[in-house]
Amino acid sequence: EAGVVQSPRYKIIEKKQPVAFWCNPISGHNTLYWYRQNLGQGPELLIRYENEEAVDDSQLPKDRFSAERLKGVDSTLKIQPAELGDSAVYLCASSRPGNTEAFFGQGTRLTVV
Amino acid sequence: GESVGLHLPTLSVQEGDNSIINCAYSNSASDYFIWYKQESGKGPQFIIDIRSNMDKRQGQRVTVLLNKTVKHLSLQIAATQPGDSAVYFCAENLGGGSNYKLTFGKGTLLTVNP
Repeated sequence: EAGVVQSPRYKIIEKKQPVAFWCNPISGHNTLYWYRQNLGQGPELLIRYENEEAVDDSQLPKDRFSAERLKGVDSTLKIQPAELGDSAVYLCASSRPGNTEAFFGQGTRLTVV
Repeated sequence: GESVGLHLPTLSVQEGDNSIINCAYSNSASDYFIWYKQESGKGPQFIIDIRSNMDKRQGQRVTVLLNKTVKHLSLQIAATQPGDSAVYFCAENLGGGSNYKLTFGKGTLLTVNP
């Protein structure tokens, strides 16, 4: 089966510009996660979806970050406006109902200059 | 030992040796633990998991040990191969039950020398 697909793989933007990341989870996985991974650190959860519902967004910086999963499949994560400190790898993961094993995509490496 | 900022704890082993990677977790209420392997430029890849009602679980060439008394988790890799070179993360589920909320540790860089 195809894995979690993310695009783009790399993105370089100037600060204060908007940016969006896209994720297509594994078919049949109703749980979707967005993580941020800073250099040399482990991934940190930003938001978790169960189908189209955001069930945990407590760590999402809501002043500039937003996410959506309108049809309970694909998801987008947006940052507007981006700041220098947002430079990181943004990882999407998905898992089956009732299963905590999350499968990760390759991530989008964001560089804000 | 512990490292700060960009400097990951590192472990260097010879090909064929056994590797032991350690992790201290934070929450005594965590009920589920996972080890992930992350190669350069890739997302984390599931290796093995263990629930809090177990002390040990074995997979192919890997064993996870859980010591709840001291909140310690270890990953043992038998006959380490060059392809095992990667950063290894432990993750704990803080959510409990169906409220999954994985928190990742800092990671350990494993280097396998041929």
